[in-house]
Amino acid sequence: QKEVEQDPGPLSVPEGAIVSLNCTYSNSAFQYFMWYRQYSRKGPELLMYTYSSGNKEDGRFTAQVDKSSKYISLFIRDSQPSDSATYLCAMSANTGNQFYFGTGTSLTVIP
Amino acid sequence: DAGVIQSPRHEVTEMGQEVTLRCKPISGHNSLFWYRQTMMRGLELLIYFNNNVPIDDSGMPEDRFSAKMPNASFSTLKIQPSEPRDSAVYFCASALDRGRKKQYFGPGTRLTVT
Repeated sequence: QKEVEQDPGPLSVPEGAIVSLNCTYSNSAFQYFMWYRQYSRKGPELLMYTYSSGNKEDGRFTAQVDKSSKYISLFIRDSQPSDSATYLCAMSANTGNQFYFGTGTSLTVIP
Repeated sequence: DAGVIQSPRHEVTEMGQEVTLRCKPISGHNSLFWYRQTMMRGLELLIYFNNNVPIDDSGMPEDRFSAKMPNASFSTLKIQPSEPRDSAVYFCASALDRGRKKQYFGPGTRLTVT
């Protein structure tokens, strides 16, 4: 079993839709949860960063962490064509610098 | 801030040749990471440095791969000899040690070995 599981998609939605992206994980030691956005032929860009459980909101983006279920989500409200990218979740424990990445979900927002 | 700088952006080489990828981390960052990304395996951590010292190289696939960080502003990843299965995008990322959970990625080097 992989440390982090992420549905690769692809996911295609109309402009203005609410998008939900999810990852599950198996390691209960994970405390740091990140979402990266990667445009085609670019490097991953840190989008959201959360420590432990709870929600974090930044503009149209909301990150949720449910440690009891080992499940994290990224919600995008009022999705825009510029949100079309691959979204990678990443996790890390308190100790060490190892990041565990999901394989990424490809999102296309259709105008 | 210029962000993480990587060179070259694209590299095409023949099997058996030596390949050297270069990275300049964000100024002031003292942790540096090398990743490889493929469609099949996603992002894989190859090695990371803290204060120029290699901390964990367990992700380096074979002895053909080596990485150095001679100073705080420069790192190299070398493949010698290169093989077609090394074809991938190689990313460098940097972070502040005390905030090392936030890694900032460079644009990557797309390597093709024929």
